[in-house]
Amino acid sequence: NAGVTQTPKFQVLKTGQSMTLQCAQDMNHNSMYWYRQDPGMGLRLIYYSASEGTTDKGEVPNGYNVSRLNKREFSLRLESAAPSQTSVYFCASSEGGANYGYTFGSGTRLTVV
Amino acid sequence: QKEVEQNSGPLSVPEGAIASLNCTYSDRGSQSFFWYRQYSGKSPELIMFIYSNGDKEDGRFTAQLNKASQYVSLLIRDSQPSDSATYLCAVNSGGYQKVTFGIGTKLQVIP
Repeated sequence: NAGVTQTPKFQVLKTGQSMTLQCAQDMNHNSMYWYRQDPGMGLRLIYYSASEGTTDKGEVPNGYNVSRLNKREFSLRLESAAPSQTSVYFCASSEGGANYGYTFGSGTRLTVV
Repeated sequence: QKEVEQNSGPLSVPEGAIASLNCTYSDRGSQSFFWYRQYSGKSPELIMFIYSNGDKEDGRFTAQLNKASQYVSLLIRDSQPSDSATYLCAVNSGGYQKVTFGIGTKLQVIP
């Protein structure tokens, strides 16, 4: 049982490049989330998908787009990477929503130079 | 004022002692409360959740919630070196967008 799988684990981008972070869960969870974690700032919600077919902005959505491809997969796209997007990105899923705990993926460490 | 406050630590306790981790929150309408453990370089892992005032015990872990005082705490009994990690408090004040994480408290258990 893999849980939440994220790829890639590490990535270095040049300013202006684009990339997609992939996330898949095998727990049949309805809700999926993308967070970023920066030192001294805690986890901040970028986008979430309450259920298949829906996506909504979180606290820090600027510079990102998402796609809920199906119930299992939720991808995060950086269209034109900026140094301010250097961070650790976590995908998470939950069974029923925000009143349930989250299962996190292993994370993607992204550096934009 | 941050919505969820935690002392970043580090909090150092000797092996076998009780570690007490605290978290305060600002929204009185908050509904559910979570504690995650995060080892260095790893992802957060849910260890406890609590919805009602009082204590909730799970093995060596006890979560305590006091909504009147707006704080939630995590007690770790018989602390082990393997408990050394950062503990994140998360509070849901209503809806997917309203889950706020604290910056975490780093716990060091000294053998």
